This record gives sequence, C-alpha cells and structure tokens, in this order.
Amino acid sequence: NAGVTQTPKFQVLKTGQSMTLQCAQDMNHEYMSWYRQDPGMGLRLIHYSVGAGITDQGEVPNGYNVSRSTTEDFPLRLLSAAPSQTSVYFCASKLTAGGPTGEQYFGPGTRLTVT
Amino acid sequence: AQSVTQLGSHVSVSEGALVLLRCNYSSSVPPYLFWYVQYPNQGLQLLLKYTSAATLVKGINGFEAEFKKSETSFHLTKPSAHMSDAAEYFCAVSPATGGFKTIFGAGTRLFVKA
Repeated sequence: NAGVTQTPKFQVLKTGQSMTLQCAQDMNHEYMSWYRQDPGMGLRLIHYSVGAGITDQGEVPNGYNVSRSTTEDFPLRLLSAAPSQTSVYFCASKLTAGGPTGEQYFGPGTRLTVT
Repeated sequence: AQSVTQLGSHVSVSEGALVLLRCNYSSSVPPYLFWYVQYPNQGLQLLLKYTSAATLVKGINGFEAEFKKSETSFHLTKPSAHMSDAAEYFCAVSPATGGFKTIFGAGTRLFVKA
C-alpha cells in the first residue's frame, strides 16, 4: 500500500491564483481530512469527509473547497489564493469516521507559498 | 466543543533524562486521545492512543501516556530521552460519540541535549 499520497510537494502561487491540492489513499478508508499547519498553531482542520459524497467544514474552511466523488480521492481547492494561505497542508485518513479505530494516517504534506 | 491544550511550546531535556510532555483536554463526553510525533519535513505518525480501555497506554519508541479523567489530562512520558526523540509532539482529541472531528493541540517541540 502507498498509504496517503499528496501532490505536489511544493507549490508557489501568486495572489488570486487558484489551484487544487491532490490527496489519495489506497486503504479503503471511510474518513478523510485536510489540515493546515502553521508555526505555534498546531494542525487546524479545514474540511473533512465521512464518505464519498459527504463533506463538512472544519475549524478554518474559508477560502477552501472540497469534494469527495470517490472513496480514494479528496482534493482541496484554493479558490483565490491569499498570502494568509501560505502554510503546510496535510491530508489524513482513517478507517472509519467514528469508533475506536480513531488513528489517522497522514500524507507527507504540501508546502504552499502565496506571494 | 472539544479542545486540547499542550503546556509548553518547547521542552528541553538532557539525554537520559525523563521526558514529560503535558496535554489537557476539554470534552463534554469521554474522548479518544492520541499522541503523534512529527520529525522535520515529515508528516505525523501515531505514537499511542487511548480508546477507553487501559488508562496507561504504551506506545512506540518507549513512550507511554496515562489518561486521568479527574484531571482531564493525557501526559506523555519516556523514562530516558534519546537524541533521536528530538521532534515535535502533538496531542489530539476525537469524540467517542456524537462527532467525527479530530482536534490537535498546538504542539510541543522537544529538544534533547547531549
């Protein structure tokens, strides 16, 4: 299994540009999520999905969209990039949305810089 | 709503000394609790988890944590620090019932001095 994969690893955008961060998992996990990591703030949940076709907002959803058309893929779209979105983005998945199998598996991250 | 507080953004210990990283949580129902470790330029990996079985949980690399409901705490310990333990550590909470979100603390960076 490849686990959770993310592309690209690095990206530089200009203010106002849009882009999609890709995330895929091959573990047939029900739950997937996106976090951003900023110094001193830990990981903050952007959006999550409890299954194909079902998504919901996390703590910091503004400026981001998600969709979940398949179990495997959970792309994150930046609609109009802003410097405040400069961050490291992590995708994670876990087997089920709830219950004791709560461990999340993380991708390697995407480092995004918006100028 | 759930929340997690990690006391101390930076902790420095000498090699061979006790490691203690503090985590307190707030949750209306008993939650599941996790400790993750992040090495430089990598994603997070699970150290250990509490899912309402034994209150003392043992994880990888000699780490353990104890769930104390009365103190709403889940502190991470290791008897003897190694240089390779230098990393950032995150405590996280997720609801056992009635929700799905996993919330992370701000992280504690552990430095190990030779």
